[in-house]
Amino acid sequence: AQSVSQHNHHVILSEAASLELGCNYSYGGTVNLFWYVQYPGQHLQLLLKYFSGDPLVKGIKGFEAEFIKSKFSFNLRKPSVQWSDTAEYFCAVMGGVYNNNDMRFGAGTRLTVKP
Amino acid sequence: ETGVTQTPRHLVMGMTNKKSLKCEQHLGHNAMYWYKQSAKKPLELMFVYNFKEQTENNSVPSRFSPECPNSSHLFLHLHTLQPEDSALYLCASSQGGSSSYEQYFGPGTRLTVT
Repeated sequence: AQSVSQHNHHVILSEAASLELGCNYSYGGTVNLFWYVQYPGQHLQLLLKYFSGDPLVKGIKGFEAEFIKSKFSFNLRKPSVQWSDTAEYFCAVMGGVYNNNDMRFGAGTRLTVKP
Repeated sequence: ETGVTQTPRHLVMGMTNKKSLKCEQHLGHNAMYWYKQSAKKPLELMFVYNFKEQTENNSVPSRFSPECPNSSHLFLHLHTLQPEDSALYLCASSQGGSSSYEQYFGPGTRLTVT
């Protein structure tokens, strides 16, 4: 079955620490990949996306993600987090062998940044 | 502000009530979606409309009934819900209904079924 896995349910960091959130998917074929963020009390917002080209994708607010096809991974990174990055982060995948037009989400990772 | 609005933002209803959730997108998109977001679970896609035609129904119980009168408006009609239906219901839209387009989300309606 096609699925999206986010390994960390809750990550707690201090300000200025580096961040890496894992995302793996089980789709075969060509996929489109997304990271969304949901700040407390706010709507889901797109952080970055990968459709094709350079596997290292830069998004808003200093976030980046790297698509590693051989590992079926699309991990999110930020070199130095800020208190304002406290939020829930969702990885999402579309496409695949079955050309699935559904956007399938991971369960989310809650990030808490301590000031 | 994403250009996708949802009303009401909060709703409490009894199991015998009938209510409707409304979504409106101001982005000129052609596809609209309903998702259910429950605590500690992935977002669950419920319905997809592409050019006003329903293209996806992910085995959603019939107590949830979608309606898409035009490309800008989407409704979710609710009746005889169960307490386990309490969740955040998110509406989204995208330029098209294929995997080539990212989705833009509304703020959600927090539904509590008593």
